Amino acid sequence: DQQVKQNSPSLSVQEGRISILNCDYTNSMFDYFLWYKKYPAEGPTFLISISSIKDKNEDGRFTVFLNKSAKHLSLHIVPSQPGDSAVYFCAALLRDDKIIFGKGTRLHILP
Amino acid sequence: DTGVSQDPRHKITKRGQNVTFRCDPISEHNRLYWYRQTLGQGPEFLTYFQNEAQLEKSRLLSDRFSAERPKGSFSTLEIQRTEQGDSAMYLCASSFGQGSTYEQYFGPGTRLTVT
Repeated sequence: DQQVKQNSPSLSVQEGRISILNCDYTNSMFDYFLWYKKYPAEGPTFLISISSIKDKNEDGRFTVFLNKSAKHLSLHIVPSQPGDSAVYFCAALLRDDKIIFGKGTRLHILP
Repeated sequence: DTGVSQDPRHKITKRGQNVTFRCDPISEHNRLYWYRQTLGQGPEFLTYFQNEAQLEKSRLLSDRFSAERPKGSFSTLEIQRTEQGDSAMYLCASSFGQGSTYEQYFGPGTRLTVT
């Protein structure tokens, strides 16, 4: 049973435009929601997080929005840059520090 | 410090053989995690240590899998009698601190292929 769902396996966005990656979850017990970015042949790297008590967190070009009533979060990247091409994992943290990952969305930034 | 390192990066083994992977976390990180990632999936939690104590094991970790962190520094993950279904990327991560330590730092992974 997938507790964290990323329903779009891939997304293509023009350079300079906004990239929006979506994620849904089923467990209301998650403390934090996280986004990780992964390049080929590397491990995932932490990108941004949001506490379950917040509805928005911003860090430079990256903003994460949390809609608790819909159990939905999204990552906005604006403006999108070529180096943003990677796989993005939505993840959620349980109180015992276990991270549950989604399947990932591959983002392609087009020139 | 150059981050979390894992050795080997790739391992090809025949079914039935035993394999052992090593993870060196970021120094002074007291928590160490093992994950497994298969094609088209996100990383799946296997087990984690706080210092040398193994605090949780996923049901994904069958009796053929064992992990150790003998001195609270590096960790090893051993798979006995490998099966083709064990083919995956094995990721190690580390973190530091009390309470929620969501910023886990991942190594590059060990890719296991069982033939």
